[in-house]
Amino acid sequence: SAVISQKPSRDICQRGTSLTIQCQVDSQVTMMFWYRQQPGQSLTLIATANQGSEATYESGFVIDKFPISRPNLTFSTLTVSNMSPEDSSIYLCSVSRAYEQYFGPGTRLTVT
Amino acid sequence: DAKTTQPPSMDCAEGRAANLPCNHSTISGNEYVYWYRQIHSQGPQYIIHGLKNNETNEMASLIITEDRKSSTLILPHATLRDTAVYYCIVRPLNSNSGYALNFGKGTSLLVTP
Repeated sequence: SAVISQKPSRDICQRGTSLTIQCQVDSQVTMMFWYRQQPGQSLTLIATANQGSEATYESGFVIDKFPISRPNLTFSTLTVSNMSPEDSSIYLCSVSRAYEQYFGPGTRLTVT
Repeated sequence: DAKTTQPPSMDCAEGRAANLPCNHSTISGNEYVYWYRQIHSQGPQYIIHGLKNNETNEMASLIITEDRKSSTLILPHATLRDTAVYYCIVRPLNSNSGYALNFGKGTSLLVTP
């Protein structure tokens, strides 16, 4: 299994500011994933983060808006930049291990 | 990844079996059927997966049709804590693959007293 923690668990931010979300895994993993879940919606993959290389972004998501760092095999950050109310969502990090994918508890972001 | 179709919502009485269907008519030979659930305000949780044989674990059973075009997740004795959104996902099995999951809309299961 994998135990994943995220910080902060929730935040309320002003429009135009940025928030960095941290994801910590209890053991080393090759790839980490960042998802967004907008209110009442399913999860959407933002990007895949490999240690030591640039993250790979899905269609509709760009690095300038969602920069990702992956400094080592147990940690990653996602920044939500220049926030608008449309960025209000739950942001979840995830890792794959064997045949399962494990998810963090999520960061609930509200932009006012 | 192949697309899946699930009913948007279902109800089940506590203590009864909950049978959640999923259609995946375009599934390819190397794709497995995975089920996850998301209890309100939590991250998704793995339930079970299978290729073509029926599977059972401590949480649920997975019945896959012979042509693999559909499957059913069975919670044998649903409890109130099983109220959640259930996602059926097909993807290749690849240990340490890094393959992300493609979530559809899922089925919102409500277990009632």
